Amino acid sequence: DTEVTQTPKHLVMGMTNKKSLKCEQHMGHRAMYWYKQKAKKPPELMFVYSYEKLSINESVPSRFSPECPNSSLLNLHLHALQPEDSALYLCASSQKGGRALSSPLHFGNGTRLTVT
Amino acid sequence: GENVEQHPSTLSVQEGDSAVIKCTYSDSASNYFPWYKQELGKRPQLIIDIRSNVGEKKDQRIAVTLNKTAKHFSLHITETQPEDSAVYFCAASRRVDNQFYFGTGTSLTVIP
Repeated sequence: DTEVTQTPKHLVMGMTNKKSLKCEQHMGHRAMYWYKQKAKKPPELMFVYSYEKLSINESVPSRFSPECPNSSLLNLHLHALQPEDSALYLCASSQKGGRALSSPLHFGNGTRLTVT
Repeated sequence: GENVEQHPSTLSVQEGDSAVIKCTYSDSASNYFPWYKQELGKRPQLIIDIRSNVGEKKDQRIAVTLNKTAKHFSLHITETQPEDSAVYFCAASRRVDNQFYFGTGTSLTVIP
């Protein structure tokens, strides 16, 4: 069982669709992350929220739009994606945000996204 | 920014043998080094980690060593078992931004 819950597990969408990925954690973690992962490659950082504020945005195309409604929830809104955006999208959280001592990432099971 | 290199990219060992995966990092400000195991189709899971004030850490068959001077750290798995087969990622994190920089991964196969 994972303590970071992601929905949906699988998503197939067309290039004109709008969809959202959701992530939830109840561990009291104050930093939440979106990563994109291609097969057998390391996770690529997309966004980091620290204390519910966007702290890192790794020059991700505007067709990906993050949202952090509260400290437990993280969304990724998708619009007008391209086939090359097909990947595993991983949400993660860590105990401390900002400049506090680093703590490990806890990953969710991911959303397998296919763009047709 | 930080650059983490990981070697080898693939590793095959006989069951019962040891496996060693090595990573180097570039930023002396990095102070936290986790290792993740990712089985096919599953999420990365933390297996062991080490902070910069420690030189070695062990957890049963798994150990990690850190050489701050040389800026490298290694994962050691002893008495390997088929269930150890997975992709392993090292990472480095800097206190200044809590951002994680991942190595390119090592695909470990343990042959029964």
